[in-house]
Amino acid sequence: LAKTTQPISMDSYEGQEVNITCSHNNIATNDYITWYQQFPSQGPRFIIQGYKTKVTNEVASLFIPADRKSSTLSLPRVSLSDTAVYYCLVGGSNDYKLSFGAGTTVTVRA
Amino acid sequence: GAVVSQHPSRVICKSGTSVKIECRSLDFQATTMFWYRQFPKQSLMLMATSNEGSKATYEQGVEKDKFLINHASLTLSTLTVTSAHPEDSSFYICSIESGSPHGDTQYFGPGTRLTVL
Repeated sequence: LAKTTQPISMDSYEGQEVNITCSHNNIATNDYITWYQQFPSQGPRFIIQGYKTKVTNEVASLFIPADRKSSTLSLPRVSLSDTAVYYCLVGGSNDYKLSFGAGTTVTVRA
Repeated sequence: GAVVSQHPSRVICKSGTSVKIECRSLDFQATTMFWYRQFPKQSLMLMATSNEGSKATYEQGVEKDKFLINHASLTLSTLTVTSAHPEDSSFYICSIESGSPHGDTQYFGPGTRLTVL
């Protein structure tokens, strides 16, 4: 499993855009990049997944440069309810196991 | 995505007793389920991979005789913490493998908070 590095914490204010960058220098050719969100005392929730370029859904956008050695999760116009831990994971189709790193604690203030 | 439930949501037990936690896939037939443990302020740690109809695969350092896993059907996996001790107090979370082409998307249950007195 490719190792990932992301900031430990980020602070933001309501209405701002939050961008969390994850480094994964050892990403393999068949690896996908997946982001999860976890609220306190809850299981993680799948947010978005991508392989290259840009992916957007109703919750977030994921930007992946051509070399795929990093990725950026973008949360548009955050609210207080977006305060959570965000995990970046990298894995491929033959690797069903997930290895969670420390994650990024995002705190949104009023 | 798939819906996963866990029961109970929280349990308090005395040291030395055994506790069973159920993980159910409500709308998806899950051949593979995973069990994680999460201590306060820490990340999730994979404990074992549960395969329907076969023995679970445990991660290094996880005692298989202490954490018994049964995956008897495509919708139910159980984790039994045997002879629980205070150090087993943790947040236990199960997940199912989604069956996506990528194989690395999982759907998680709400977790079970175990407190051993």
